[in-house]
Amino acid sequence: KAGVTQTPRYLIKTRGQQVTLSCSPISGHRSVSWYQQTPGQGLQFLFEYFSETQRNKGNFPGRFSGRQFSNSRSEMNVSTLELGDSALYLCASSLEGTGVTGELFFGEGSRLTVL
Amino acid sequence: AQSVTQLGSHVSVSEGALVLLRCNYSSSVPPYLFWYVQYPNQGLQLLLKYTSAATLVKGINGFEAEFKKSETSFHLTKPSAHMSDAAEYFCAVSVQHGGSYIPTFGRGTSLIVHP
Repeated sequence: KAGVTQTPRYLIKTRGQQVTLSCSPISGHRSVSWYQQTPGQGLQFLFEYFSETQRNKGNFPGRFSGRQFSNSRSEMNVSTLELGDSALYLCASSLEGTGVTGELFFGEGSRLTVL
Repeated sequence: AQSVTQLGSHVSVSEGALVLLRCNYSSSVPPYLFWYVQYPNQGLQLLLKYTSAATLVKGINGFEAEFKKSETSFHLTKPSAHMSDAAEYFCAVSVQHGGSYIPTFGRGTSLIVHP
């Protein structure tokens, strides 16, 4: 079974631009979560989508948004990029149903550098 | 709200020595607990999880962790360190929030293994 796939793996943007990151979850997984990882703040929860609906949201400004499609693939968008948005963005999928515990399966991440 | 504290941002051991990574959690309800490992330029991979079935949990690569409710701890151990164990380790606590479980991660502990 294929793992969580994130694209692109690396990207460089300049301040003020916007970026879209993509995530394909493990087949059968309907929940997709996004995390921002930085050396200073660690892993911070951005949002979670389930069946095309945002179910939970972290404490990030409105510049950070996301969506989920009917095939469970998800995208996140960051508009008006700031230098502080430079980070590794991790997508994780999870299996819903019996035994739901919050166990996550992570992709390798998209490393965003804002210049 | 739940939280996780990992004592020590860096732990250094010699190859063959005992590995002990500390994790304390705070949760108002019985939690699910996890240890994840992150190798350079990769996403997080689940090492082991506690879901109330047994207090001593065995994971992959020879790691295990013991849930101690009285101490609110979930420390990760391995009897003998290998060079390949060098990585970042994250403890996470997860409780139900609405219809899903959103893990909260500790700041991580970098394990350094000396030959």
